[in-house]
Amino acid sequence: DIQMTQSPSTLSASVGDRVTFTCRASQTITTYLNWYQQKPGKAPRLLIYAASSLHSGVPSRFSGSGSGTDFTLTIDSLQPEDFATYYCQQSYRSPYSFGQGTMLEIK
Amino acid sequence: QLQLQESGPGLVKPSETLSLNCSVSGDSISSPLYYWGWVRQPPGKGLEWIGTIYYPGSTSYNPSLVGRVSISVDTSKNQFSLKLNSVTAADTALYYCMRRIGSYARQIDSWGQGTLVTVSS
Repeated sequence: DIQMTQSPSTLSASVGDRVTFTCRASQTITTYLNWYQQKPGKAPRLLIYAASSLHSGVPSRFSGSGSGTDFTLTIDSLQPEDFATYYCQQSYRSPYSFGQGTMLEIK
Repeated sequence: QLQLQESGPGLVKPSETLSLNCSVSGDSISSPLYYWGWVRQPPGKGLEWIGTIYYPGSTSYNPSLVGRVSISVDTSKNQFSLKLNSVTAADTALYYCMRRIGSYARQIDSWGQGTLVTVSS
């Protein structure tokens, strides 16, 4: 199975900050990388697919990049509603595994 | 608009079978564009891929669950189902049904609200 590792586990930031999350795959996954946002008590929500494509309805302050094994999710100018947990997921080879998540908390 | 709704018992005894249904509205489960499947999340933990089904019956499961898991479809009810045999406390989780894009990035674009299943005697 492909292992996905996210860092950091927790990130503290303030409204208006620019933040970057990192996700690393245990082997190349080309650009088969998706990012999800999950708020407490809610289902995950797709943000980015194919490493850098913004899902419909997602604000443009979210962006993704990377290929191969290393990927990033960036949020420009954090908004109060962005504080949540973020998961990466590889869809290169089944089982389509997830990272362990990065919790974004208010500083 | 697509809606997915999980249903099933919230409490299952150890060694018994967990059975959940996911009712789909706003799309046909026989669509050639999508896969349908399940993801679970133990309390306070991360997401685990369970598996998918592509109509009429092509399945793919997480190797860690092979031998215990099965996913099936019922087109008459436009729903799909999950069965997990011989459950233990480790199977206690929030179970989400989902729709996965069948091509390109293969991303999950829709989720149910999730249903908590507790394994306990």
